[in-house]
Amino acid sequence: AQSVTQLGSHVSVSEGALVLLRCNYSSSVPPYLFWYVQYPNQGLQLLLKYTSAATLVKGINGFEAEFKKSETSFHLTKPSAHMSDAAEYFCATGGSYIPTFGRGTSLIVHP
Amino acid sequence: NAGVTQTPKFRVLKTGQSMTLLCAQDMNHEYMYWYRQDPGMGLRLIHYSVGEGTTAKGEVPDGYNVSRLKKQNFLLGLESAAPSQTSVYFCASSSLAGGPDTQYFGPGTRLTVL
Repeated sequence: AQSVTQLGSHVSVSEGALVLLRCNYSSSVPPYLFWYVQYPNQGLQLLLKYTSAATLVKGINGFEAEFKKSETSFHLTKPSAHMSDAAEYFCATGGSYIPTFGRGTSLIVHP
Repeated sequence: NAGVTQTPKFRVLKTGQSMTLLCAQDMNHEYMYWYRQDPGMGLRLIHYSVGEGTTAKGEVPDGYNVSRLKKQNFLLGLESAAPSQTSVYFCASSSLAGGPDTQYFGPGTRLTVL
């Protein structure tokens, strides 16, 4: 069975600082991995996805994630946080048509 | 394209009442899903459908029923609402052409059961 674990339910950064949101996966086969973002009172939308074409995946709004098989990780980063990045972020895996979501990490950005 | 739409956006029910949540997608997606989102619990899958006329149980199906009579619509029913069903409900759809694909989410329905 595939699963993901997000480390930290809340991450707080200052505007302009590096954003690092952690996600580890558990899978017996090469996984498909996704990061979604949820802004307040909205549904989730795709940030980026890994499908084994390249280990470094670039997404929207300056976010990127690196697939590291040796660490079973797919951490999300952004070099410089902006106030508009404040949202809930979900890591997800999908090896079939039933995806599995992590519990989410709330990103708080301070001025 | 409207994408995925959900009706209604908000609803307040009394314990024991019934209601149906409607999800519609215009992307010709085969797969549709209903989730509930509760604080600290992430997204939990209630039911899903892999095609018109087919449905299956997810992680938390008790107290809910679903129907997929048309490919573009996925209905979620609560026959006898309970306070534990107070939550935000999201519908999503996806295609599977070439492998697991992006899920497209609706804006959500906020349900309160008194």
